[in-house]
Amino acid sequence: GAVVSQHPSWVICKSGTSVKIECRSLDFQATTMFWYRQFPKQSLMLMATSNEGSKATYEQGVEKDKFLINHASLTLSTLTVTSAHPEDSSFYICSARDQKTEAFFGQGTRLTVV
Amino acid sequence: AQSVTQPDIHITVSEGASLELRCNYSYGATPYLFWYVQSPGQGLQLLLKYFSGDTLVQGIKGFEAEFKRSQSSFNLRKPSVHWSDAAEYFCAVGANAGKSTFGDGTTLTVKP
Repeated sequence: GAVVSQHPSWVICKSGTSVKIECRSLDFQATTMFWYRQFPKQSLMLMATSNEGSKATYEQGVEKDKFLINHASLTLSTLTVTSAHPEDSSFYICSARDQKTEAFFGQGTRLTVV
Repeated sequence: AQSVTQPDIHITVSEGASLELRCNYSYGATPYLFWYVQSPGQGLQLLLKYFSGDTLVQGIKGFEAEFKRSQSSFNLRKPSVHWSDAAEYFCAVGANAGKSTFGDGTTLTVKP
């Protein structure tokens, strides 16, 4: 299957700083990417849908000014957690959909805010 | 609104035994159904998916799932479990791949 790469795999940052997470589709073009958040031992919650060249669509309850999403190319979407706080600590996972009907998930990014 | 219920939070089976993980969904139209597996600290890997056609779907790693519209279920099965199958399993439903609603997951423990 196709490969989706997330970077970094884990990051520790200080409270109040911003963190950028990258999601790349390595061998296919992804017009749509999705960002999920997963708390320990819980399920994945969709945060936003990212379409190349347009603004992201956020799910209800997700602060778009805090979680900035940019999808500048067909192979790259970024999630920036602005002014991070300890409650933002979580596992963030992206997925990218190909031209057909399958989505491929990245390996996830573990964010710890101290 | 769409939803997914995985009734079993945790299942323990012996290596070599058969496995069935339950998944019930609520969806207003014909659903796209997925099963994913997640190892600790890792992303998700697609095991199998159902869009239409044959209701018995074969996936990777020897897994299969059966779509039963009358029961709104999409249970995952494997005839003989291996120790490497220990992981978290998620059932998901959606209008398309990617934008899906996930169940809470079932943790599978495999006893030697």
